Amino acid sequence: QQPVQSPQAVILREGEDAVINCSSSKALYSVHWYRQKHGEAPVFLMILLKGGEQKGHEKISASFNEKKQQSSLYLTASQLSYSGTYFCGTGSRGGSNYKLTFGKGTLLTVNP
Amino acid sequence: GAVVSQHPSWVICKSGTSVKIECRSLDFQATTMFWYRQFPKQSLMLMATSNEGSKATYEQGVEKDKFLINHASLTLSTLTVTSAHPEDSSFYICSANSQRIDYEQYFGPGTRLTVT
Repeated sequence: QQPVQSPQAVILREGEDAVINCSSSKALYSVHWYRQKHGEAPVFLMILLKGGEQKGHEKISASFNEKKQQSSLYLTASQLSYSGTYFCGTGSRGGSNYKLTFGKGTLLTVNP
Repeated sequence: GAVVSQHPSWVICKSGTSVKIECRSLDFQATTMFWYRQFPKQSLMLMATSNEGSKATYEQGVEKDKFLINHASLTLSTLTVTSAHPEDSSFYICSANSQRIDYEQYFGPGTRLTVT
């Protein structure tokens, strides 16, 4: 089942903050966040596995709610390099394999 | 660490021909590799999951006779698009799952396929 991302797009000025949400109607095994720039492959940002978990790196952080049905990605003091499409991927087990189902993406544009 | 390469970066072929795309994990052993297809401005759609030495598991709606996947070793998986047609034109991306970190997937740079 594809997770729902919101917003679909957001435009920021450099230095502003943004929040991107990823939600599901069922409890998730895990949430993975990626950023993809045009014509390039997605770049791994972080993974959350436990309900109530929060983690971050530099000015990008993410949370996973207690019920494991929603995750949010927080971009603080955005930089021009943050521009791109952000995808959340939700993990599930199909037989013996662990696979990701991606949301439709959130296009983030950071302007000077 | 955790670098995945793909070859070629782009390919243009004529309708009816076959194209092979390679995916390699350069600095780790990948027990599982995944193949995705992405159309312009759309999300990544999982096509199939391959485990070293066994048959690939295809997602619903993906023709396994058209998209042949071979995972010959812990560092190499190949996707062959057989009898390609213009509607197969897309961005094909592989990812690999590290044995060291169970759930993280690392993506290759992608292959742009154009069928004329």
